[in-house]
Amino acid sequence: EPEVTQTPSHQVTQMGQEVILRCVPISNHLYFYWYRQILGQKVEFLVSFYNNEISEKSEIFDDQFSVERPDGSNFTLKIRSTKLEDSAMYFCASSSPGQQETQYFGPGTRLLVL
Amino acid sequence: AQSVTQPDIHITVSEGASLELRCNYSYGATPYLFWYVQSPGQGLQLLLKYFSGDTLVQGIKGFEAEFKRSQSSFNLRKPSVHWSDAAEYFCAVGPGGFQKLVFGTGTRLLVSP
Repeated sequence: EPEVTQTPSHQVTQMGQEVILRCVPISNHLYFYWYRQILGQKVEFLVSFYNNEISEKSEIFDDQFSVERPDGSNFTLKIRSTKLEDSAMYFCASSSPGQQETQYFGPGTRLLVL
Repeated sequence: AQSVTQPDIHITVSEGASLELRCNYSYGATPYLFWYVQSPGQGLQLLLKYFSGDTLVQGIKGFEAEFKRSQSSFNLRKPSVHWSDAAEYFCAVGPGGFQKLVFGTGTRLLVSP
């Protein structure tokens, strides 16, 4: 069964450093999302992406964040200058043209900012 | 604004007993409703979803959920819990189409022998 994959599974970084989180969505999916879950809190929406453009972003998704689909398979989330409060689990999700509303999630990347 | 409430933070159920996890939502129209499960160290796996039609929906792993419009609820049930069901369960709501999901805070299920 096709699934969303994410790398790395864990990342530790120093405050102020740039990180890139990578996702490979399900191959025929065209809609992509990033969510995050701070430890003990809700899963929160960050951004949605379609046709090489951001469709919607939350208040969390400020200028420090960017997303990109650099090739036909990868979807990345970049945090330009990490802050302590960026420590969280980051989930990538994707959905298909026929079932846009059904999002399939990856296993997540746990980011720890020191 | 959309919101989801999962009133139970933790639930402990004996193996073989039945399970019901509660989910209440606030939404202006008929929402698209989902239940996801997150096992330790794993991502969010879709258990089931409801859009329209029969208000009792079946999902994977023997789970079902019932949509009750009058109560704004979408409770998840399983008749007989297995130890492998121990996980965190999230209810989510969305407007449909290519739109964000809003999640509840989750319910952690513990299964006792």
